Amino acid sequence: GQNIDQPTEMTATEGAIVQINCTYQTSGFNGLFWYQQHAGEAPTFLSYNVLDGLEEKGRFSSFLSRSKGYSYLLLKELQMKDSASYLCAVMDSNYQLIWGAGTKLIIKP
Amino acid sequence: SQTIHQWPATLVQPVGSPLSLECTVEGTSNPNLYWYRQAAGRGLQLLFYSVGIGQISSEVPQNLSASRPQDRQFILSSKKLLLSDSGFYLCAWSPLAGDYNEQFFGPGTRLTVL
Repeated sequence: GQNIDQPTEMTATEGAIVQINCTYQTSGFNGLFWYQQHAGEAPTFLSYNVLDGLEEKGRFSSFLSRSKGYSYLLLKELQMKDSASYLCAVMDSNYQLIWGAGTKLIIKP
Repeated sequence: SQTIHQWPATLVQPVGSPLSLECTVEGTSNPNLYWYRQAAGRGLQLLFYSVGIGQISSEVPQNLSASRPQDRQFILSSKKLLLSDSGFYLCAWSPLAGDYNEQFFGPGTRLTVL
């Protein structure tokens, strides 16, 4: 079966750095997405990786290792507004997104 | 620019009642359209997707159905709601042929079945 694993919840301090991991087992691979979802709102796109390596976009970076079925989202200089759930999703061989359950990130002052 | 609309924002319905949720997309043509459900504290579950008018693929067998009567309109329906149908319903679209088929989400409908 297809499976996306990520931690249920993480806590970090304002101004610090946090890394959210995602491991996956899917039928084929056509890219990995990270989305941010604030409570009660729709997910919004953060990043996309299809090749191995690090993609940097401002305070957020995303890393992919296809051989290990592994990705992480790195958030730097954390702000209170970064408190949200972060969803990892993999596009499978049918170009459908397989979603993880999300990681709830709590930022403390 | 493209926008996606969903309504209503919230809905409280009794068990056994019908359901109709509507989603429309503006500013694009021939989008792929999706209906997801998200239970509290859970990930997104794909319910239906559509690559064109009248073309619906169902991912999960259940008492829900979807229709696409127009290119940019996607409707989620049920004849008789169950308690287990409660959740956050999200409509999304993606370009028919984009660089990486990023999905863009509507604001969602929070459905409570009592």
